[in-house]
Amino acid sequence: EVQLLESGGGLVQPGGSLRLSCAASGFTFSSYAMSWVRQAPGKGLEWVSAISGSGGSTYYADSVKGRFTISRDNSKNTLYLQMNSLRAEDTAVYYCAKLGPRAVAGTDDAFDIWGQGTMVTVSS
Amino acid sequence: AIRMTQSPSSLSASTGDRVTITCRASQGISSYLAWYQQKPGKAPKLLIYAASTLQSGVPSRFSGSGSGTDFTLTISCLQSEDFATYYCQQYYSYPPTFGQGTKLEIK
Repeated sequence: EVQLLESGGGLVQPGGSLRLSCAASGFTFSSYAMSWVRQAPGKGLEWVSAISGSGGSTYYADSVKGRFTISRDNSKNTLYLQMNSLRAEDTAVYYCAKLGPRAVAGTDDAFDIWGQGTMVTVSS
Repeated sequence: AIRMTQSPSSLSASTGDRVTITCRASQGISSYLAWYQQKPGKAPKLLIYAASTLQSGVPSRFSGSGSGTDFTLTISCLQSEDFATYYCQQYYSYPPTFGQGTKLEIK
């Protein structure tokens, strides 16, 4: 069964850091681009970041550029999101999502598999 | 960034109804459009990609159409499990962007 399982969320103070992980199973992880998408409480979906299958190309939303870093360890089938200088507006459920097989770059296909999400709360 | 605008923002309907949700892109995106369904407390689920291709396992009562800037998601005969929030998303250009969502509620 294809599965994505996020972890690492929690409560952090403004200016703090957090690292999210997403463990993948049931597919050849290194063959697919992966993304993080977030959803603030009661709000819609916002794409955050993406990475190519090899990890050689990364992409960021303007709202997180310079503060967040996406990476992957294909030997461990795991995707990461390092979040620094966190702000209240980063409070959201963070989903990892797999891009479909048609992706050539890191963002040019639909998200066909999603994890269950992990909650990040930035508050003092 | 390409702006995606859905209408309506909310919709009340009854089981058995046919409903249509519209998504408009601020510029042409060819057919690089996906539709997702999200239920409360759950992750989004891909329904349709490439504007009209049904994802494996999705019931045939869901259909999508359109190209360029105007797209529709149609549910032909609403079932109880279809009451949820629906999002469109363009993946034609970076960054990928989502519509604001359409909440489908029971009348």
